Amino acid sequence: NAGVTQTPKFRILKIGQSMTLQCAQDMNHNYMYWYRQDPGMGLKLIYYSVGAGITDKGEVPNGYNVSRSTTEDFPLRLELAAPSQTSVYFCASSYHPTGDEVAGELFFGEGSRLTVL
Amino acid sequence: AQKITQTQPGMFVQEKEAVTLDCTYDTSDPSYGLFWYKQPSSGEMIFLIYQGSYDQQNATEGRYSLNFQKARKSANLVISASQLGDSAMYFCAMREGLNSGGSNYKLTFGKGTLLTVNP
Repeated sequence: NAGVTQTPKFRILKIGQSMTLQCAQDMNHNYMYWYRQDPGMGLKLIYYSVGAGITDKGEVPNGYNVSRSTTEDFPLRLELAAPSQTSVYFCASSYHPTGDEVAGELFFGEGSRLTVL
Repeated sequence: AQKITQTQPGMFVQEKEAVTLDCTYDTSDPSYGLFWYKQPSSGEMIFLIYQGSYDQQNATEGRYSLNFQKARKSANLVISASQLGDSAMYFCAMREGLNSGGSNYKLTFGKGTLLTVNP
């Protein structure tokens, strides 16, 4: 069982460069999320998606873009990288069947450590 | 105001002893869920336990239990019989509006508590 797979695990960018963090899940989860984790700050939500074709901003969306063309994939695009985007990025997914109240815990990928110099 | 507050940046416990990690939350929504996650030094996020706001009993999962005090808006994690492998960062998180669907399925996380288990 792969679960949530993120690539790359590590990346160093120069200021102004762009890149895409890939995220894929094989659990047929309808919800997917991108969080960033800065030292001592917990996790902050960047973007999330409730299903294919639907995305919405989280708490810290500036400088990022997402798309959700399929249920499985939820890539995060960084445009014009800045040092403030140095962080660990986590992709996650959860399952919420319509009409059922379930815990819906988030399943996380292993994280992608991004450094912008 | 912070939605999730974890007041203990770091905690120490002796192996085999119990430890309580504090979490208080702020919400006006009557329907919400509380989660605890563990993050070892390797970095992955591991789901530990869940408590729904309407659950009558405190949640338990093996050595983990959640001391849920709704009136005080607290959801403390209790780890019994600590093991060296319990040394990790622990995050409390909340999901509001469980019955509203849509955008309310996202989790808001606290800043975490670093637990160190001493031999």
